[in-house]
Amino acid sequence: DIQMTQSPSSVSASVGDRVTITCRASQGVGSYLAWYQQKPGKAPKLLIYAASSLQSGVPSRFSGSGYGTDFTLTISSLQPEDFATYYCQQANTFPLTFGGGTNVEIK
Amino acid sequence: QITLKESGPTLVKPTQTLTLTCTFSGFSLSTNAVGVGWIRQSPGKALEWLALINWNDDKRYSPSLKSRLTITKDTSKNQVVLTITKMDPVDTATYFCVHSIEAAGGFKFRYWGQGTLVTASS
Repeated sequence: DIQMTQSPSSVSASVGDRVTITCRASQGVGSYLAWYQQKPGKAPKLLIYAASSLQSGVPSRFSGSGYGTDFTLTISSLQPEDFATYYCQQANTFPLTFGGGTNVEIK
Repeated sequence: QITLKESGPTLVKPTQTLTLTCTFSGFSLSTNAVGVGWIRQSPGKALEWLALINWNDDKRYSPSLKSRLTITKDTSKNQVVLTITKMDPVDTATYFCVHSIEAAGGFKFRYWGQGTLVTASS
């Protein structure tokens, strides 16, 4: 299985801050990487697919980059509605696997 | 408009078999590149992919659970069923069904059901 490791596991930030979350795959997945946002008690929401493609309807302050084993999700200016947990997922090889999550908290 | 909804028991006893049904609308599971999958989340834990069935009846399973999982589809009823045998308290989780599309960038989970919490306890 491809292991997905996210860092940090938790980050405290203020509204307006730039936040970067990293995701590392145990082996190369090309650009087959997605990012999801999950709020408590809700289903995850797809933000980014193919490493850097913004899902329709997702604000442009979210961006993704990377290839192979190292990926980043960046929120350029954190908004109140962005406080949530974020997961990366490799979409290249079965079994599909998720990272452990990054909790973005209010500072 | 694509929607998915999970249904099934909220409580099962250890060793019993869990049967979950995903009823969907807004798409056909006979359309090329479309699939329906199951993902679970234990309380306070990360997401775990379980299984996926594709439009051509190709089925994929998590290796760690493969011996206990079966996924089937009924295209005429717009339903996908997941069974998990030999339930254990560690299987207590919220189970999500998801619409999957295989495109450039791999398998994409754009639409999710609301999830159903299943507790395995005696």
